[in-house]
Amino acid sequence: DGGITQSPKYLFRKEGQNVTLSCEQNLNHDAMYWYRQDPGQGLRLIYYSQIVNDFQKGDIAEGYSVSREKKESFPLTVTSAQKNPTAFYLCASSSNPGLQPGHTFGSGTRLTVV
Amino acid sequence: SQKIEQNSEALNIQEGKTATLTCNYTNYSPAYLQWYRQDPGRGPVFLLLIRENEKEKRKERLKVTFDTTLKQSLFHITASQPADSATYLCALDRFLDSGYALNFGKGTSLLVTP
Repeated sequence: DGGITQSPKYLFRKEGQNVTLSCEQNLNHDAMYWYRQDPGQGLRLIYYSQIVNDFQKGDIAEGYSVSREKKESFPLTVTSAQKNPTAFYLCASSSNPGLQPGHTFGSGTRLTVV
Repeated sequence: SQKIEQNSEALNIQEGKTATLTCNYTNYSPAYLQWYRQDPGRGPVFLLLIRENEKEKRKERLKVTFDTTLKQSLFHITASQPADSATYLCALDRFLDSGYALNFGKGTSLLVTP
């Protein structure tokens, strides 16, 4: 079955440490996204990529970095510059927005700073 | 700035009744409005999309209305079941400089009791 796989499901980060969240899709979607969800908050856009080898900052990109070397993969690195990284991170993908604007989401990664 | 508002208070209803959730938006002229379901600890799942030129959309027990004059969408679940208990998110399209993403409301929690 096609879908998006995020790993790990839970991740613990020490202060000053960089961590990378994995996101892989086999839906043949061009666009991929990273959103952050905090309790009682709406999803906020971190980075997005409409095509391979291109990505753009979203609303809260500071302290994060991404790459898009393959169509299927869009990993997110949470750097030590992100001061409040504890949150639920969601990866999503979509095909041509004009044809199919809905997002398909992964099951999320819960990141906790220890 | 663009704002999406959903009822912050949880909605509790009895099994078999119709649940009605509200999504209001301001400073916005969306081409699409979408509804997602999110279970605890999971990623959102796309339910329905309605376009600006559509007044109503149905899918099985779900019905969505879209009033661009009132800037409001109503999401109805008829003959509700305990399995419908979840958080429901409203999302509107946003066209960015280099692509497309979604703006999400904070969601409304629905609890259906037997």
